[in-house]
Amino acid sequence: QSVLTQPPSVSAAPGQKVTISCSGNSSNIGNNFVSWYQHLPETAPKLLIYDNNKRPSGIPDRFSGSKSGTSATLGITGLQTGDEADYYCGTWDSSLSAGVFGGGTKLTVL
Amino acid sequence: QLQLQESGPRLVKPSETLSLMCTISGGSISSSSNYFWGWIRQPPGKGLEWIGIIHYSGSSYYNPPLKSRVTISVDTSKNQFSLNLRSVTAADTAVYYCARHKSSYNWLDPWGQGTLVTVSS
Repeated sequence: QSVLTQPPSVSAAPGQKVTISCSGNSSNIGNNFVSWYQHLPETAPKLLIYDNNKRPSGIPDRFSGSKSGTSATLGITGLQTGDEADYYCGTWDSSLSAGVFGGGTKLTVL
Repeated sequence: QLQLQESGPRLVKPSETLSLMCTISGGSISSSSNYFWGWIRQPPGKGLEWIGIIHYSGSSYYNPPLKSRVTISVDTSKNQFSLNLRSVTAADTAVYYCARHKSSYNWLDPWGQGTLVTVSS
């Protein structure tokens, strides 16, 4: 069981918007920065969002991140079939002195 | 452009030690004190699991459930860091990734392409 909680799956139609939640506690999300990763099959995970809401160079502004208290959210607008992937949140857990991930959310673009 | 590449045996017998190397190109493992270097794995059909990180100075952090079996080491002269996981079982079968970890901000980028290691007799 993962330290961070994500919904197992979300779905939406092309062109629509979807949000993926990531819930933790004060030891992890509440007091540390959150990052998000896109994982396509047979590829390495890719950093999508870092420092809660920043996008690395090359990541389109259709992807956004936010954090409030002990939860974080990834938003994706203008959904494309190429966005179908597994999405993971990650952060540091100060109690464990270790990094932690959410269980992952599978995005289906219908 | 910084790149990471995992290497090592793809098949390990139960009770033996899984050993992987991550070679860094396009940058130096010791160029900045702001980064650690880490290992992450993904068992088949499951999510990502954080294994541990190491700084070029030798400082390290490990995932508590794995801590008793894991050692991550760094070789600055070869621009490499390594993973040793002892007493493996079938549950350790996974794709193993190496990645750069940003200290204090905790993001991972870039990642290696990953290597599947199977534990089987």
